[in-house]
This record gives sequence, C-alpha cells and structure tokens, in this order.
Amino acid sequence: KQEVTQIPAALSVPEGENLVLNCSFTDSAIYNLQWFRQDPGKGLTSLLLIQSSQREQTSGRLNASLDKSSGRSTLYIAASQPGDSATYLCAVRDAGNQFYFGTGTSLTVIP
Amino acid sequence: NAGVTQTPKFRILKIGQSMTLQCTQDMNHNYMYWYRQDPGMGLKLIYYSVGAGITDKGEVPNGYNVSRSTTEDFPLRLELAAPSQTSVYFCASSPPGSQSYEQYFGPGTRLTVT
Repeated sequence: KQEVTQIPAALSVPEGENLVLNCSFTDSAIYNLQWFRQDPGKGLTSLLLIQSSQREQTSGRLNASLDKSSGRSTLYIAASQPGDSATYLCAVRDAGNQFYFGTGTSLTVIP
Repeated sequence: NAGVTQTPKFRILKIGQSMTLQCTQDMNHNYMYWYRQDPGMGLKLIYYSVGAGITDKGEVPNGYNVSRSTTEDFPLRLELAAPSQTSVYFCASSPPGSQSYEQYFGPGTRLTVT
C-alpha cells in the first residue's frame, strides 16, 4: 500500500526566505503527483500537478520537482510572503485511480 | 462556474442517525471523489466514480455508500452514524483525459457524531 510522508510537519520562516517542502512516497509506480494548499477551515486548492513522465513544473514563485525512482518530490517556494502561510499537502495517484495524501506541512511566514 | 459545491457546511448527528452529504460540480467532470480528513491526518479516499452509473471503493469505504445517477451529482450516504465518522468530508472532481486528473475540491462538510 502506498504511504506518503511529508517532512517537516511544521515550518516557520521569515518573510522573503526561499524554502523547500518535502514529500516522499513508498511505491514509485505513480501516474502523477499533485501539490495542494489548504487554508484553515477551507478546501484544497491545487498548486501544481506533475505527470510521472515529468521532472518539474513551475507556476510563478512555485517550483515542484519529481524524482519517481527515489520516491521524492519537493515544492520550492521563492521569496516567501505572509500570504503563503497555509498547510501544503502532496498527493500521489496510482495506476488503480487511488489517491494517497500526505499529512501536510504547516507553513508560517513571519512578517 | 460554481465549481464543486457541498452541502451542508456543518452537521451534528446523533449515533445511529443517517444522513446524505451532497456534492455537485458544474464543470462536466467525469471523475468525482469523496475524502475524509481527520485532525492532523491526510485525506483518505472513501469512494470514487469515473462516470455516471459507475462507483468504486477507496481506502476507507466502510460505513458509507454512494451513487452517481448524473454527471453532476455524487452524494455520500452515512447509515447508522458512529463517533468514528466525525471528520471533515471533502468532495472533489477531475476533468476527463487520460493524463490530467488534476483534482478540484469543494469547501468541505464538517460532521460531528455524538
């Protein structure tokens, strides 16, 4: 069974710092990996989706990478802002159309 | 487009009661999903559907039922509610296409069973 882990569970950084969030998964037979943002009491907002054949995706200040063979993905956030404070979740989709989520990294950007 | 909508936003149930959580999407997405999120945990897939008339179990289906009579609606039924079903429930949908599967989420339903 696929297990998805996100480390660290919580992270606090000063505004303007670049940061990296980590996601690891145990079964490399995935179709894609998706990064989400969740604000307190809200639903999930999709940030980036990386197909299994891709190495990275970029959107604005966000860059997500995927190393399928080692079971790892990173989300890089450049020049962090207080508005980036949220919980970041990664999810992998397997060949059976099942989705597995990590427990998230709670990010606080201090002004 | 309203996207994915869920009703109700909050609900308190007594043990043994039943209820239906509603989910509707107006994006003509084939794929729809139900998840639960317990405090401090990741989301767990309950059921999913690849199109009208087709449903399948996810990781944690026990205690729940679903139906998909139309493309737009994917209700989740709780029969004989138990305290272990206290959670936040999220509905999501994905567009058609073999490589996409980007998921769009509703705002969630917070359910408490006492």
